[in-house]
Amino acid sequence: QVQLVQSGAEVKKPGASVKVSCKASGYTFTAYYMHWVRQAPGQGLEWMGWINPNSGGTNYAQKFQGWVTMTRDTSISTAYMELSRLTSDDTAVYYCVAVSGTRWDYWGQGTLVTVSS
Amino acid sequence: QSALTQPASVSGSPGQSITISCTGTSSDVGGYNYVSWYQQHPGKAPKLMIYEVSNRPSGVSNRFSGSKSGNTASLTISGFQAEDEADYYCSSYTSSSTLYVFGTGTKVTVL
Repeated sequence: QVQLVQSGAEVKKPGASVKVSCKASGYTFTAYYMHWVRQAPGQGLEWMGWINPNSGGTNYAQKFQGWVTMTRDTSISTAYMELSRLTSDDTAVYYCVAVSGTRWDYWGQGTLVTVSS
Repeated sequence: QSALTQPASVSGSPGQSITISCTGTSSDVGGYNYVSWYQQHPGKAPKLMIYEVSNRPSGVSNRFSGSKSGNTASLTISGFQAEDEADYYCSSYTSSSTLYVFGTGTKVTVL
């Protein structure tokens, strides 16, 4: 069955960067686009962008352009999301989502990133 | 790009039908049949309940149904059960540079 397993919780200081990983299994990694979504504590969901694991092409939400980098390593079926220049507003749970067409079926378990001095 | 508008909370008695609305614009909900609905229990990842306005993934109860009229999409839960108590979010593709926008979320509780 399809599984997305994300890296563990992180605590970062303001101004630092964080890199979250998402290891896929149970399907052909290059077949589904990988999206990233975040959810601040007690808040709603926010789309950050996607990466095409086949080509490495990316499309970031305008808010995150110049600030987020999505990459992948097809040899280990893993996608990465790196967010730089962290502030307390970036404290959130970050999810990877494997998307087939318009179906956002498969979600990772989420990675809590806490930004605190 | 503003979030889609949902009621903050909806309550229902077991066995009732409840409906959650999701209002956007002609640039998102009204312009595309790419509206999805997600159920999220506390501390868990969202779960896809409806995609492309009214399609249900396999394994999702047929008590859940979706529809759209103009710029407003709706999720209906018929035969409401205690296990349906959760947060629900809509989402839509949008022609803005954001590409995808989520709703503000609705907390559904049992009366």
